Amino acid sequence: GAGVSQSPSNKVTEKGKDVELRCDPISGHTALYWYRQSLGQGLEFLIYFQGNSAPDKSGLPSDRFSAERTGGSVSTLTIQRTQQEDSAVYLCASSLNPAGATDTQYFGPGTRLTVL
Amino acid sequence: GQNIDQPTEMTATEGAIVQINCTYQTSGFNGLFWYQQHAGEAPTFLSYNVLDGLEEKGRFSSFLSRSKGYSYLLLKELQMKDSASYLCAVRGSNYQLIWGAGTKLIIKP
Repeated sequence: GAGVSQSPSNKVTEKGKDVELRCDPISGHTALYWYRQSLGQGLEFLIYFQGNSAPDKSGLPSDRFSAERTGGSVSTLTIQRTQQEDSAVYLCASSLNPAGATDTQYFGPGTRLTVL
Repeated sequence: GQNIDQPTEMTATEGAIVQINCTYQTSGFNGLFWYQQHAGEAPTFLSYNVLDGLEEKGRFSSFLSRSKGYSYLLLKELQMKDSASYLCAVRGSNYQLIWGAGTKLIIKP
């Protein structure tokens, strides 16, 4: 596709349930990033993929959060046993070559997660 | 630690000029980015600076001073559609971007 796509666009779930968020990066982009943005706040880095590996998982807030990427393309962010504080917009971005000096991240539309 | 500071909110008048400042303290510097984010939408790339000076792109310009750890985004001939949040981000010593909290710009007629 022309841009980064994410699904679902909105997800409402009950506390304690598991959720899966999907990101489809721009074709050919080797790097993929997950961020979280709470209302009125800046972007919180969660995890970065280079190809299928995640050299940096330092931003994952707890062991309830995990992510994988397959085929160097689609990524899934899974949140287990959701809590109300997980409610936020989850943004995915991709970039062509993170080692490049002018490498730019392009964002998807986000998934708005609401935990009741 | 690493830190990016921007004003939380600014107000300006349609047709006027506004300057949004960003100061940073990071371990390493490999470029500074400005993104625009309309409410409920994803951030979109506006500009990139890695050398000192001014980069102009139509109504938008971005300035960088590495010695001062300072950048600004200048918006001219403001239009109502420029109402948005403006995010400053710095690429530190690795691939990762460190993000400011964003500046919400309100344009009044």
